[in-house]
Amino acid sequence: NAGVTQTPKFQVLKTGQSMTLQCAQDMNHNSMYWYRQDPGMGLRLIYYSASEGTTDKGEVPNGYNVSRLNKREFSLRLESAAPSQTSVYFCASREDRGRIYGYTFGSGTRLTVV
Amino acid sequence: ILNVEQSPQSLHVQEGDSTNFTCSFPSSNFYALHWYRWETAKSPEALFVMTLNGDEKKKGRISATLNTKEGYSYLYIKGSQPEDSATYLCAFDYGGSQGNLIFGKGTKLSVKP
Repeated sequence: NAGVTQTPKFQVLKTGQSMTLQCAQDMNHNSMYWYRQDPGMGLRLIYYSASEGTTDKGEVPNGYNVSRLNKREFSLRLESAAPSQTSVYFCASREDRGRIYGYTFGSGTRLTVV
Repeated sequence: ILNVEQSPQSLHVQEGDSTNFTCSFPSSNFYALHWYRWETAKSPEALFVMTLNGDEKKKGRISATLNTKEGYSYLYIKGSQPEDSATYLCAFDYGGSQGNLIFGKGTKLSVKP
């Protein structure tokens, strides 16, 4: 099925460990995004990418890096996980034409840092 | 800082009730207003993208209106059903070059049978 695939769905890390969250879309979208969802807060943008090879910081980029190696994939890396990064992470992509389309979201990654 | 407010935070209704909730957003730099439906343990799904002042969109029993001059949008659900239970998110597109959205915190709707 067409859509956004995120892996893993769940992860527990120890403080200081690193990991990469993977995201891939098969809808030929140029724009891709990483958001985090915390209790009592709206989805907050971590990083976004307008096209292959380009990335930009969002509202809460500290502690994260991203990579957009090709049009399909946009990964999010935590180099040294901290408890403050415990959150649910969503990847999303969007059709660009006229920006009249909504985001397509992945199923989310629930990350706990202990 | 662009702010998107949604009210109420949560809502409990009986099956068959009609309900509505509000999204407030900046009235300047408006490009579009999105509504998403987010069921527990699933990912948000787009309901509507609204771009014009006075826009009304409808999908089944759910409809939305938009007032860009005063910076608000209403989402209406007619004859709520238990399967309508979800969090409803609105998101503001301010026309930034990368197309990213500013999300509200959502309204959590619970419909009791």
